[in-house]
This record gives sequence, structure tokens and C-alpha cells, in this order.
Amino acid sequence: NAGVTQTPKFQVLKTGQSMTLQCAQDMNHNSMYWYRQDPGMGLRLIYYSASEGTTDKGEVPNGYNVSRLNKREFSLRLESAAPSQTSVYFCASMRRGGSKNIQYFGAGTRLSVL
Amino acid sequence: GNSVTQMEGPVTLSEEAFLTINCTYTATGYPSLFWYVQYPGEGLQLLLKATKADDKGSNKGFEATYRKETTSFHLEKGSVQVSDSAVYFCALPRDSGAGSYQLTFGKGTKLSVIP
Repeated sequence: NAGVTQTPKFQVLKTGQSMTLQCAQDMNHNSMYWYRQDPGMGLRLIYYSASEGTTDKGEVPNGYNVSRLNKREFSLRLESAAPSQTSVYFCASMRRGGSKNIQYFGAGTRLSVL
Repeated sequence: GNSVTQMEGPVTLSEEAFLTINCTYTATGYPSLFWYVQYPGEGLQLLLKATKADDKGSNKGFEATYRKETTSFHLEKGSVQVSDSAVYFCALPRDSGAGSYQLTFGKGTKLSVIP
């Protein structure tokens, strides 16, 4: 039962470097999400993909881009990392439909930007 | 859109103590309500949910009742254990429409249980 798999688990970047966070789910879910978690801020939605082929901005999209590569995979890219992007990033997926609207989360990527 | 307010922590309890974490919401209609739990170093996982007013969600000894009169969904457990130490998040759909796919989370309450 892999569920939602995120890579890498940890990453340290220098300001201005770029990187891509990978996320894959094996539950055949339609929707996928990227969140960031910061102390005292709860979870904030960066981008989401309601279904394969679509992506939309969330609450804090600036500085990020996403790609829904296929139904399984949803990547988050930082083109030019900034210290303000130091955070823990979580990917989630959900199968839409009535009471089934439950999001399943990966274990997170802990990113430090120096 | 809908919103949720959750009591701030941290909360420190002795083992076997009673736990309440308050959560109130503002919503159009009666959307599903959720409690998620995040254990140290892990992602969030669903703890329990309630899909309509007066429903009681329960799991692992935790309970929460969907109360529309007070717009609340407080989390309770009668006797906490050290293994319950975690961060707890109240959540609901961002919008109450059928096409809503986003969740809005509270800021989280960190619970520490000491032996």
C-alpha cells in the first residue's frame, strides 16, 4: 500500500537554485494537491489539479509551477528558490464524489533554502 | 468560502486525562467536517469525519459530533495515551458546492501527552 509517495524527503537549496518535487499516487484518484506547512500557519494550498489535464492556483501560488504529468503524477517546481520557500511540502490526492471526498497525504518534503 | 477556527495549542496532558480540542466553523449549508492527525515526521491522515448535522464521527477512541446549532465539531477523547501525541487539524471543504475539491484547514493544535 504505497498511497501517496513524495520525493525527495529532504532537500537543501541555495537561493536562486531550482528544483522539482515529485509526487505520485497509486489509488487512481482524480484530484491532486500541493500544500506547504509553516509553523503557526497550518496548511496552505499552493496548486491543485482537479483532474488530469487541469491545474489551478491555490492560496499561495507565487514562485511555484506545477505539472500534472498523468493521472498518477503531479510535480511542483521552484524555478528560483528563495529563503521564504523554506517549508515542509505535502502532496495529497483525493477521489471525488460525495462522502468519499477524503484527501490522502504523502509523508512530506522538508526543504531548506539558504 | 467556508472557514474553520481551531483552538491554539500547544496542549500538554498527563496520560489518561480527558482531551477536548475546540473547532468551530463558518459554512454555507452543511458540508462534511473532518479531523486529521499528523504524527511526528509524517503527513496528515484522516482521523474521523462526519457528513451531516448531528452525525458523530469516531476512531481510535476519539469522537466529534457535528453540531449545527453551535457550528462546532469539537474533538474529544476520554483517556489519552502517550501515542496520541501529535498535531490535530480540523478541516472542511472550502466551498459547499458539489464541485468543491479543496479543503480548508485550521492551524493545528499540538498535543503532547506525558507519562
